[in-house]
Amino acid sequence: QVQVVESGGGLVKPGGSLRLSCAASGFTFSDYYMSWIRLASGKGLEWLSSIDTSGHTRFYADSVKGRFTLSRDNADNSLSLQMNSLRADDTAIYYCARSQAMWELPGRLDSWGQGALVTVSS
Amino acid sequence: QSVLTQPPSVSAAPGQKVTISCSGSSSNIGDSYVSWYQHLPGAAPKLLIYDNNKRPSGIPDRFSGSKSGTSATLGITGLQTGDEADYYCGTWDNGLSVWLFGGGTKLTV
Repeated sequence: QVQVVESGGGLVKPGGSLRLSCAASGFTFSDYYMSWIRLASGKGLEWLSSIDTSGHTRFYADSVKGRFTLSRDNADNSLSLQMNSLRADDTAIYYCARSQAMWELPGRLDSWGQGALVTVSS
Repeated sequence: QSVLTQPPSVSAAPGQKVTISCSGSSSNIGDSYVSWYQHLPGAAPKLLIYDNNKRPSGIPDRFSGSKSGTSATLGITGLQTGDEADYYCGTWDNGLSVWLFGGGTKLTV
C-alpha cells in the first residue's frame, strides 16, 4: 500500500540546521509531486513546499523561502527537506505528503505520513 | 490570518448534518480546485474530498463537497462521534504560486 515515512526530526538550537527525509513506497515515486506541510501546536496546517516529478520545479511558502530547500531522489524513492537558520516558530510536526499536480491543477495531497517532530529550542 | 477563511468551530448532534464553509478569492478557489482534509488527533491528515466534489476510495458518501465561485463547502451527514476532528480546505493560489490551507474548523459531535 501507499506509504510515506518521515524521519530526521529532533531537537535543534535556534540558528541550527536539520534535514528531514521522507521514504516512499507502494507507488511509482517518480510519477508524483511531493510536498511538506507542518502543524504547530495550537495552529492549523501550513504548506511549506512542493516539488514536481523531475525535481526541477519547486515552490516555497514565504515563511521558509531562503531557509528551507526541498529535493528528491527518484532513484532512491526519497524526499528531503534541508532546514537552515531554524527559529523557535519552526517548532512543529512536519508531514510529508504524496501530491498530485499542485500548480498544474487540479492539486491534492492524497497520502500523508505520520509526521516528524521538530523542536527548536535552546 | 489565512487567505482561505473557515469557521473556527462547528457542532451538531450525532446523526445530524453539518456544513463547513471555505471562502477564498478569484486567484485561488475561483481559479482552481478545492480539496478537503480531516485531521484526527494524533493521526496523519487524510484526504476527504478532491477536485471540489470527488471522494477518494474508502471515504463514505456521508462526506460531500461543492464549490461555487470563490467559496467551497464540505458537508457531513449522519454525524458520528468518530467524525470529531479538525477539517481543512486547500487549494493552489495562482497569483501567489503557493498552496493554501484554510485556518481549519474543529468539529464537535
